[in-house]
Amino acid sequence: EAGVTQFPSHSVIEKGQTVTLRCDPISGHDNLYWYRRVMGKEIKFLLHFVKESKQDESGMPNNRFLAERTGGTYSTLKVQPAELEDSGVYFCASSRDNNYGYTFGSGTRLTVV
Amino acid sequence: KNEVEQSPQNLTAQEGEFITINCSYSVGISALHWLQQHPGGGIVSLFMLSSGKKKHGRLIATINIQEKHSSLHITASHPRDSAVYICAVISQKLVFGQGTRLTINP
Repeated sequence: EAGVTQFPSHSVIEKGQTVTLRCDPISGHDNLYWYRRVMGKEIKFLLHFVKESKQDESGMPNNRFLAERTGGTYSTLKVQPAELEDSGVYFCASSRDNNYGYTFGSGTRLTVV
Repeated sequence: KNEVEQSPQNLTAQEGEFITINCSYSVGISALHWLQQHPGGGIVSLFMLSSGKKKHGRLIATINIQEKHSSLHITASHPRDSAVYICAVISQKLVFGQGTRLTINP
């Protein structure tokens, strides 16, 4: 089966601009997770979708971050407006069952300058 | 203090050495992941375990639920093993350790 796909792999944007990250989970995986790793820190949970519903968005840092999963397939994570501290690697993972059998994407490295 | 602590944070060794990376956690878990992140950035799940020991090739992972501790071992290490190794526990959600940067020199 195809893995979890993230796009773009790298993005460099200026402070104040908008960026949209995309994650295509493994087909049939209802659970989709977003994580972020900022420089020198551990990976942190952002949010969890079950199909198209947000199951847990407790890790979203602020209202500049908007995640959607229309139709329960792919998900987007939009940062608007981007700030310098948003730089990091954003990972997506999917699983068939919650908390079991995660498959991670390759990540999107976001640099805000 | 993080809920998941890894040691060491950085490890440099010579090719062929036996490598051990440790992970301690302070929360109740249902399972634990060992993940590998290569310089390109992608994360690969190496193991998921909830008890005992698992082996895949030169990699061995063990977990002691009572002691809340897991170890990842690499036998006959090779430069291509150079990566960041991350321990992540499944509690209410995945909680990650800070990672161990492993460098194997030829």
